[in-house]
Amino acid sequence: LAKTTQPISMDSYEGQEVNITCSHNNIATNDYITWYQQFPSQGPRFIIQGYKTKVTNEVASLFIPADRKSSTLSLPRVSLSDTAVYYCLGENTDKLIFGTGTRLQVFP
Amino acid sequence: KAGVTQTPRYLIKTRGQQVTLSCSPISGHRSVSWYQQTPGQGLQFLFEYFSETQRNKGNFPGRFSGRQFSNSRSEMNVSTLELGDSALYLCASSLGGLADRRSYEQYFGPGTRLTVT
Repeated sequence: LAKTTQPISMDSYEGQEVNITCSHNNIATNDYITWYQQFPSQGPRFIIQGYKTKVTNEVASLFIPADRKSSTLSLPRVSLSDTAVYYCLGENTDKLIFGTGTRLQVFP
Repeated sequence: KAGVTQTPRYLIKTRGQQVTLSCSPISGHRSVSWYQQTPGQGLQFLFEYFSETQRNKGNFPGRFSGRQFSNSRSEMNVSTLELGDSALYLCASSLGGLADRRSYEQYFGPGTRLTVT
């Protein structure tokens, strides 16, 4: 399973686009890249998952370069309610191993 | 559709005691995984059950065990509690197991906060 490296924390303001980049240098060829969001006192919530290039859903976009050694979660126009911890993980068919996460703080 | 529920939400135990935590998955989900979350170690995988069978196990001592019932509900047991077992214990359910790429997206419950004194 891929070990991930993320910034420990990030600050942003409401309405801005936030990009959180994760490094996963030893990702396996069959690993998916997945991002989870966690609020205090709650379990993680699946945000988005991809294998390569770009994936977009109703809440975020995920950009994965060709070498797949990193990925960027893009949150468009963040709001105060996006303040949370974001985890990226390289995932295969074995088990989920979470990294330390990025604490995103959104200010008004 | 109701989400994953965990009981109890909060628990205080004494060193040496044992504890059983319960998880009810989303209706129709057959896989239940358990995780331990602490400030120092982050989220760590404990084990996964699918159709009443343990299919994957993390690197935890044998004091941590679990089981799954025919209705997919799962219990996790920790025996001989240690101070270091204080943590948020999360369970997550999914339609398929972790080996099923098409339907393994996990839905987490709110967790059980265990404090060992």
